[in-house]
Amino acid sequence: AQTVTQSQPEMSVQEAETVTLSCTYDTSESDYYLFWYKQPPSRQMILVIRQEAYKQQNATENRFSVNFQKAAKSFSLKISDSQLGDAAMYFCAYRSSQGGSEKLVFGKGTKLTVNP
Amino acid sequence: DAGVTQSPTHLIKTRGQHVTLRCSPISGHKSVSWYQQVLGQGPQFIFQYYEKEERGRGNFPDRFSARQFPNYSSELNVNALLLGDSALYLCASSSSLGHREAFFGQGTRLTVV
Repeated sequence: AQTVTQSQPEMSVQEAETVTLSCTYDTSESDYYLFWYKQPPSRQMILVIRQEAYKQQNATENRFSVNFQKAAKSFSLKISDSQLGDAAMYFCAYRSSQGGSEKLVFGKGTKLTVNP
Repeated sequence: DAGVTQSPTHLIKTRGQHVTLRCSPISGHKSVSWYQQVLGQGPQFIFQYYEKEERGRGNFPDRFSARQFPNYSSELNVNALLLGDSALYLCASSSSLGHREAFFGQGTRLTVV
């Protein structure tokens, strides 16, 4: 079974600075997707960034980028130029590419605080 | 376009009662998944439905059941509620095309007393 581990329950960053959130996962599959979701106090899970395992190039979305290390099964999220609106819970998630499965396996989350 | 909508937003039930939660997917999305998120934890997969058929089931007791209707909306039913069923229930829909990314609703906060 796949597992996702987020070892940082809480992180804080100064506004305009850079912060990196860590995620490791375990799987025997070779093809899969990895995601970072943001969950603000409004509760809605918002997709931040997606990485396909067969792509070696790290995904980027504006101020958000990932460091995907497939051999090490590591998938960290870097937030540059942090803004107050980035404060939220961040969840790392895994999804298999096999059999049309939509099942997401989530980590326990990292609470990010952005200090003005 | 409307996103994923869930109803109700909040619900309080008594132990032993039954509850039905509802979800309307994004227009054109045929897959609906349900997740349970206990306070302080990440969401846990409960069910996935695609074209009205169950495609996956998580490690939840038989008290949990779901179904999907011809318009792709879905219901999650929980019988014989326990205090431990108190959680945020999230619904997600996804397209069968492309990367099949999951889009989530705002969830239903269920409190069992």
